[in-house]
Amino acid sequence: DIVMTQNPLSLSVTPGQPASISCKSSQSLLHSDGETYLYWYLQKPGQPPQLLMYKVSNRVSGVPDRFSGSGSGTDFTLKISRVEADDVGVYYCMQSQQLPLTFGGGTKVEIK
Amino acid sequence: QVQLVQSGTEVKKPGASVKVSCKTSGYTFTSYGITWVRQAPGQGLEWMGWISGYNGDTSYLQRLQGRVTMTTDTSTSTAYMELRSLRSDDTAIYYCARVNDFLADAFDIWGQGTMVTVSS
Repeated sequence: DIVMTQNPLSLSVTPGQPASISCKSSQSLLHSDGETYLYWYLQKPGQPPQLLMYKVSNRVSGVPDRFSGSGSGTDFTLKISRVEADDVGVYYCMQSQQLPLTFGGGTKVEIK
Repeated sequence: QVQLVQSGTEVKKPGASVKVSCKTSGYTFTSYGITWVRQAPGQGLEWMGWISGYNGDTSYLQRLQGRVTMTTDTSTSTAYMELRSLRSDDTAIYYCARVNDFLADAFDIWGQGTMVTVSS
């Protein structure tokens, strides 16, 4: 199975400041079709997860452009350029390059 | 709008079975798959498997194979997940989500979750 490792485990951020979350995979997520199947989800408190990004850097409709995804191979990053109060929750990366699909352990973002 | 509405809280004894439903609306059920993800209390997310809304093809997490069955009823646009021989470590919130192949098979719409507690 592909192991997804996120860092840090938690992050406390002042509103308006940037935040960055790392996600590393134990194997390359580059598929033979040339695509990289890495996703980001945010689980706000008491809610189901919601999709933020697909294929590394594609924002889902409605996700603010403060969020950006980057990376390739085994190293990926989610950046929030200016954190807002509504961004609190646990962020998960997930891979679908290979079955079984696997999630990172999550990064909890809090507001200072 | 697209909605996935799950059945309610369940409390089961070890060894029993549970069947969770996921009723969908607002889109063509047969054009998308459904995936199931669970979350133990205070823990992260675990993918359980996937079922095609088109033909019922399935793929399961190997360590659940033999205990889990995912099905669909296209007449009611509902997906089901049955888990048998329940153990205490199956206690979790179970989520269904739509698999959107226009978004590279991302899970774009989620149900509200169903709490399943396994306790003697």
